[in-house]
Amino acid sequence: SSELTQDPAVSVALGQTVRITCQGDNLRIYYASWYQQKPGQAPVLVIYGQNNRPSGIPDRFSGSSSGKTASLTITGAQAEDEADYYCNSRDSSGNHVVFGGGSKLTVL
Amino acid sequence: EVQLVESGGVVVQPGGSLRLSCAASGFTFDNYAMHWVRQAPGKGLEWVSLISWDGGSTFYADSVKGRFTISRDNSRTSLYLQMNSLRAEDTALYYCAKDSEMFGSHLFDYWGQGTLVTVSS
Repeated sequence: SSELTQDPAVSVALGQTVRITCQGDNLRIYYASWYQQKPGQAPVLVIYGQNNRPSGIPDRFSGSSSGKTASLTITGAQAEDEADYYCNSRDSSGNHVVFGGGSKLTVL
Repeated sequence: EVQLVESGGVVVQPGGSLRLSCAASGFTFDNYAMHWVRQAPGKGLEWVSLISWDGGSTFYADSVKGRFTISRDNSRTSLYLQMNSLRAEDTALYYCAKDSEMFGSHLFDYWGQGTLVTVSS
């Protein structure tokens, strides 16, 4: 299967740590990329590769992968981290891109 | 500063056609593959199409294959999406996204703000 599965909703208390997961068979082959999307805004890349952050992304964001599960971890979640988070990867052909359904993160 | 500015989104009737454009600046356009990604109202992201740096390779999601055509003009640093036989389910905000590689990957390092396509009678 080329699908990526995410929990639709995740919550975390302010300042605590949260992990958002993404499952898919192709994650055994490809690292996931992670995107943050706030209401009314375009997605922003936050994690790519094994665990890389683009310039300007706070170091409280990190990524990991094990088997067919990729994870985005926010250590010390802030109010401004409340957003939708999407993972993506390639499909079995390697030529198509697939996105997970997205996880809505609520910071309590 | 990398900028991607989409245009061309309008209200169109089912069965109609539309051409979206994406004007790119702030990077060497012909060094990178480019993508179109769409988002239906209140829904998640859906990858639509990929074009390699030179336009030599193109790929499409099954949902648009045979109806949409991606192209690019490196001399104008612009990306295009020709959309034919439009359906109600094509209604979405269409984003132009820059790839991090020449031939295409799943790493989209810059996104435009999107252009809204509404298919309705």
